[in-house]
Order: sequence, then structure tokens, then C-alpha cells
Amino acid sequence: DTEVTQTPKHLVMGMTNKKSLKCEQHMGHRAMYWYKQKAKKPPELMFVYSYEKLSINESVPSRFSPECPNSSLLNLHLHALQPEDSALYLCASSHGGPSGAGNTIYFGEGSWLTVV
Amino acid sequence: DAKTTQPNSMESNEEEPVHLPCNHSTISGTDYIHWYRQLPSQGPEYVIHGLTSNVNNRMASLAIAEDRKSSTLILHRATLRDAAVYYCILRDVSAGGTSYGKLTFGQGTILTVHP
Repeated sequence: DTEVTQTPKHLVMGMTNKKSLKCEQHMGHRAMYWYKQKAKKPPELMFVYSYEKLSINESVPSRFSPECPNSSLLNLHLHALQPEDSALYLCASSHGGPSGAGNTIYFGEGSWLTVV
Repeated sequence: DAKTTQPNSMESNEEEPVHLPCNHSTISGTDYIHWYRQLPSQGPEYVIHGLTSNVNNRMASLAIAEDRKSSTLILHRATLRDAAVYYCILRDVSAGGTSYGKLTFGQGTILTVHP
């Protein structure tokens, strides 16, 4: 099973709403990632978790709040978003650890977020 | 982070080989060369990676220049399902570096495959 599952596939939310994106993997991976992708642009790294601890935050605004409740789950909590935050949000995972940089990263199909 | 340069787009005919180039003149000794592709409406998909030697797998081959300043992804027989954006990415393997483990995407090459 080499699958990263993201829910929901589509989400429409108002600027005052609080919502969450969820990501799950059962490959035993210890590194998990959130990427953001705008239309016709490459994915941009937002956060990296390694062994359930936040290891990289790419200066993401605090209206995006990641959470890693256990080694299989990764959430992205959304609050007070702006219309320009509308994008495809991709979750990914890989084997963590010292040799992690050479390891394959597996991506989910993404969650399409529209902020109105 | 070391950067990569790829052509914006390339075209190929079905069942012909495709050579996708990538320049990475500022590559460091601890950077792996990764290739990912993204099909329409899907997340990126791993294709291949290497450090110094040429690599082959069931999807493609990766040819790495001796000075490591460039590489080429080779699709031996393109199919319509290979139409995608192909990303050449450098990934830092040095533990403790600020970019350790990060996968930073460039603009990529849009590959169009004609029947």
C-alpha cells in the first residue's frame, strides 16, 4: 500500500470559517509534509513533520495550523483564510531519519480549497 | 538552496524516446537529484533519483553528468500517459542543514506527447 489519502477532495469555506484538511498514510513513514499549489505553479512547501515533531515551517501565516496527532495522521487547521489562499493543498510522506533526503516522497491527490 | 533550470516545454511523439534536460550548476556534494512528475489533476509522482551514477528503473533512466552540473531524464518510449509536468529537484542529504530533507520544486517542463 503506497497510498496517501487526503480528505476532503474539495472544500469551500468562508473567510470566517474554521475547517480542517486531513491526511493519512499507513506506510510506516515518519516524515509528513504539507504543500500548497496554485494554478499552473509548482508545489510550494509549507510544513515538514519528522517523527511527529514540526521540523520545518516555511514562514507560513498562522491562519494555517498543522497538527500531527500520530505517525499516520497529519491535519491542517484553517482559520480566517483569505481568498488568495484558494489552492490545491497536497499532503505527502516519506521515510524519515538521517537518510531521509534520498527517500521517495509519496503525494496524495490533494484537497482543492476555495475561500469565498 | 541549489536551483535547477529546465526548458518550459517539450514535445514528443508516441513510442519515441524523450530526453528531458536539467541544469543544476550550483549543486553541492550532498544534493540528490530527484525527478517527479505531475499528471493533470493529480499529486506529484516519484519517477527516479540518483546521486552520482546513472540510474534505471521501470519508469525511466537518469543520466548524470560526470561533474553533476546537469542531468537528463530519459523516457525510453513515450506514451500518451506520460504527458505531464516533469520536475527536476535537488534534495539536500546533509543532516542538520537548513534545507535537510526539503523537496523544493522549480517550474518544471511540460511534456506534450502526440499520438
